[in-house]
Amino acid sequence: GAGVSQSPSNKVTEKGKDVELRCDPISGHTALYWYRQSLGQGLEFLIYFQGNSAPDKSGLPSDRFSAERTGGSVSTLTIQRTQQEDSAVYLCASSLPKGGIIGELFFGEGSRLTVL
Amino acid sequence: SQKIEQNSEALNIQEGKTATLTCNYTNYSPAYLQWYRQDPGRGPVFLLLIRENEKEKRKERLKVTFDTTLKQSLFHITASQPADSATYLCALGESGGYQKVTFGIGTKLQVIP
Repeated sequence: GAGVSQSPSNKVTEKGKDVELRCDPISGHTALYWYRQSLGQGLEFLIYFQGNSAPDKSGLPSDRFSAERTGGSVSTLTIQRTQQEDSAVYLCASSLPKGGIIGELFFGEGSRLTVL
Repeated sequence: SQKIEQNSEALNIQEGKTATLTCNYTNYSPAYLQWYRQDPGRGPVFLLLIRENEKEKRKERLKVTFDTTLKQSLFHITASQPADSATYLCALGESGGYQKVTFGIGTKLQVIP
């Protein structure tokens, strides 16, 4: 696609429900990142994928959070038993590493999650 | 512990002046540093990347410096315009196979006409 696409753009859910957030990276981009941004805060790293592998999951806040990537393309971030503190904008970015470095990250517009 | 520090307070400057934003870091050995712009309700947009062995990078009205001894990067916008008003984020990338990119909290810039 032309850019990184995220869906849904907005999600309102009740506490305790599970949610799935989807990211379609730019075609051919091998690296994919998930970040979380709470109101007025910076980007909190969650996880990154190189291909379908996730070398670093250290940013996932709890075992209620999981992510997968299939076919080296689409990624899904799943939050189980959502809590109010999970309310934030979840941003996905993709990149094509060159010369051993990641380089420019291309971000989607984010999925705004509100947990009531 | 690792830290990336940016002025958390907003920076207000007059149109036409040069805006200078600071990014300091501790307990990192970054292979490169990036600057992004973020507008409200939007995802960040890449502006510039500077590698550890580079001192300065320019792109149009933007200039970035990188001092690995001071562990600091400065981001300058010359001849600033109201359209430059946004939040500016610095991000560190680490070397080798470890490709995590970590962001600072950002500095909000307001250019006053």
